[in-house]
Amino acid sequence: DSGVTQTPKHLITATGQRVTLRCSPRSGDLSVYWYQQSLDQGLQFLIQYYNGEERAKGNILERFSAQQFPDLHSELNLSSLELGDSALYFCASSVERLGVETQYFGPGTRLLVL
Amino acid sequence: GEDVEQSLFLSVREGDSSVINCTYTDSSSTYLYWYKQEPGAGLQLLTYIFSNMDMKQDQRLTVLLNKKDKHLSLRIADTQTGDSAIYFCAETITSGGYQKVTFGTGTKLQVIP
Repeated sequence: DSGVTQTPKHLITATGQRVTLRCSPRSGDLSVYWYQQSLDQGLQFLIQYYNGEERAKGNILERFSAQQFPDLHSELNLSSLELGDSALYFCASSVERLGVETQYFGPGTRLLVL
Repeated sequence: GEDVEQSLFLSVREGDSSVINCTYTDSSSTYLYWYKQEPGAGLQLLTYIFSNMDMKQDQRLTVLLNKKDKHLSLRIADTQTGDSAIYFCAETITSGGYQKVTFGTGTKLQVIP
C-alpha cells in the first residue's frame, strides 16, 4: 500500500459525459501528479500540482482539467468523454529526500467510456 | 528530445537472469529510475541511480548506466515468477528549479516456470 488513495476504482460512463476522479496523496506530500495509461500509448504524464499550484503540464487535453485543494487532495475532471478516453488514470504523490524525488502511485481508476 | 524508449516485451525462464533495457535522449538527466507495475496495480519504485554513477546493486537488482550512449539497464538475477510485471524506466530532468519525470514505454516481463 503506497498510501495514495484514488476513488472510484472503476467508472463506466457514456460518450459525452463528464466525470471526476479523486486522489488523496500520502500524508505530508505536497506534489500530486496525474497520469493516463492506455494500452496503445503507455504511461502519459498529464499534469502536476504542488501545494495547490499547477507546476507542470504534459499531454493533457483541453477537455481535461485538474485542481489541488487546500487539504492537498486533487481532482481530475474529464469532460465530453470519448471512447478513446478509456484508460487507467493514476495519481501519484511525491517526496524529495537527499535530492531524489520519489513518486508513490495510487491503485488507479479504470475508466470505461461506452 | 525527451523520449525514453524500451522494448515492449521480454520472456525469460524462472531462475535465469533478465535484462531490461532503456534508452533516453536527454543528457541532462540528473537521475533515472526503475519502476515495477504488477497486474492491476500502480507503479512501485524499485530503484534509482544518479547520473554520476555507472552501476548500482541492490540485492537481485543491478542497474547499469552508460551516459555516453544514454543507455540504462536493469538486470534481475534469479528471476522468479513474482517478477512478472511491467517495468518502466524514467528519467528526471531538473529545469527551472523543478524536476520533471518522463517515463518510458514499459517492458512487459513474462517469467516462464
